[in-house]
Amino acid sequence: EAQVTQNPRYLITVTGKKLTVTCSQNMNHEYMSWYRQDPGLGLRQIYYSMNVEVTDKGDVPEGYKVSRKEKRNFPLILESPSPNQTSLYFCASSSLSEETQYFGPGTRLLVL
Amino acid sequence: QKEVEQDPGPLSVPEGAIVSLNCTYSNSAFQYFMWYRQYSRKGPELLMYTYSSGNKEDGRFTAQVDKSSKYISLFIRDSQPSDSATYLCAMSSGSARQLTFGSGTQLTVLP
Repeated sequence: EAQVTQNPRYLITVTGKKLTVTCSQNMNHEYMSWYRQDPGLGLRQIYYSMNVEVTDKGDVPEGYKVSRKEKRNFPLILESPSPNQTSLYFCASSSLSEETQYFGPGTRLLVL
Repeated sequence: QKEVEQDPGPLSVPEGAIVSLNCTYSNSAFQYFMWYRQYSRKGPELLMYTYSSGNKEDGRFTAQVDKSSKYISLFIRDSQPSDSATYLCAMSSGSARQLTFGSGTQLTVLP
């Protein structure tokens, strides 16, 4: 089944404790992206990647890192999480030849 | 002012009703317009995609874009309880992937 998977789905952590949210897709998509979703603000793009070893900032990149060492994986790293990073995070992927982005199921993060 | 404004609702309608969902925007460079549907505890899924102005129909769904008014709409005919979800408009200027999203409208269709 074609899908985007994220792990973990739920995470509670404390301020300053480094964490990684994994994202993997099995559709051989070139493009991958991370979003955060907050009430009243909709989805905002954090980082995106057009292909392996190519990443770029989205609209809200502060406090986040990403890497794209393999085509299928695009982890999101929070080196020192803060409470304002409490949010619902979505990974998405897309082929460069189509408009549709396929979203993962989401990761709900709470930073205390 | 946000680039994309969307009435958050919630919107509640009886089964069979025609639903109209709308977004306004301020960036005249937007040319890709999309509607995503998001069920509770799920990721968004693309529902409709329109490039530039005009209408597009897909089954019970019709998307309209009026670039002169900077206004887009999604109409749902014969609404069903399974249409209950949050609907997000999204738009872009340079790429169909670099999207600016509205905040979403929560729709409930009552049986």
